[in-house]
Amino acid sequence: SQKIEQNSEALNIQEGKTATLTCNYTNYSPAYLQWYRQDPGRGPVFLLLIRENEKEKRKERLKVTFDTTLKQSLFHITASQPADSATYLCALDPGSGYSTLTFGKGTMLLVSP
Amino acid sequence: GAVVSQHPSWVICKSGTSVKIECRSLDFQATTMFWYRQFPKQSLMLMATSNEGSKATYEQGVEKDKFLINHASLTLSTLTVTSAHPEDSSFYICSALRRGHQETQYFGPGTRLLVL
Repeated sequence: SQKIEQNSEALNIQEGKTATLTCNYTNYSPAYLQWYRQDPGRGPVFLLLIRENEKEKRKERLKVTFDTTLKQSLFHITASQPADSATYLCALDPGSGYSTLTFGKGTMLLVSP
Repeated sequence: GAVVSQHPSWVICKSGTSVKIECRSLDFQATTMFWYRQFPKQSLMLMATSNEGSKATYEQGVEKDKFLINHASLTLSTLTVTSAHPEDSSFYICSALRRGHQETQYFGPGTRLLVL
């Protein structure tokens, strides 16, 4: 069955460091992979989308890589700030045209001052 | 742009009653809306896909007679939880696809439902 794995343990880092979150998947061939941020009691907020033929995408302090051979995406936040503390979700889209997303459970990031 | 609202943001109801949740795209037309449910520390689980003017497509295991979805216009979809029971207590989140931006879902803030 399709499986998306994100580290269930919270990631604690110090302000200014680079946070790296991992998303692994099995039995899936996504056309797109997306990263969302979710704050407690709120809906997810879209951050970045990367296509299967792209290796890397950047947006300000965010960087996403996508390795379809390893079936893995890495999400980096450089120069992290306490305001970056949230749960980060990865989501896969098969590209079937229906835009149906399958979400991972998310990894909580805690950035301490 | 691309703002999605949900109403109410939270609701408490007695077991056996029905609850309606509204999802609106405020500044764009949504060709498709999705309804998700999220339990604590769990991932978002897709319940159904709703296209304007047609019947919703439900995911396996989701009872269509219990979770009624109406997508009457390009800016409004409603989810009605009929005869709610305590196990229906959850965080319900909608999302919308913006015409011309089919790859990105814009999410509402969610509705917390507590059934006593």
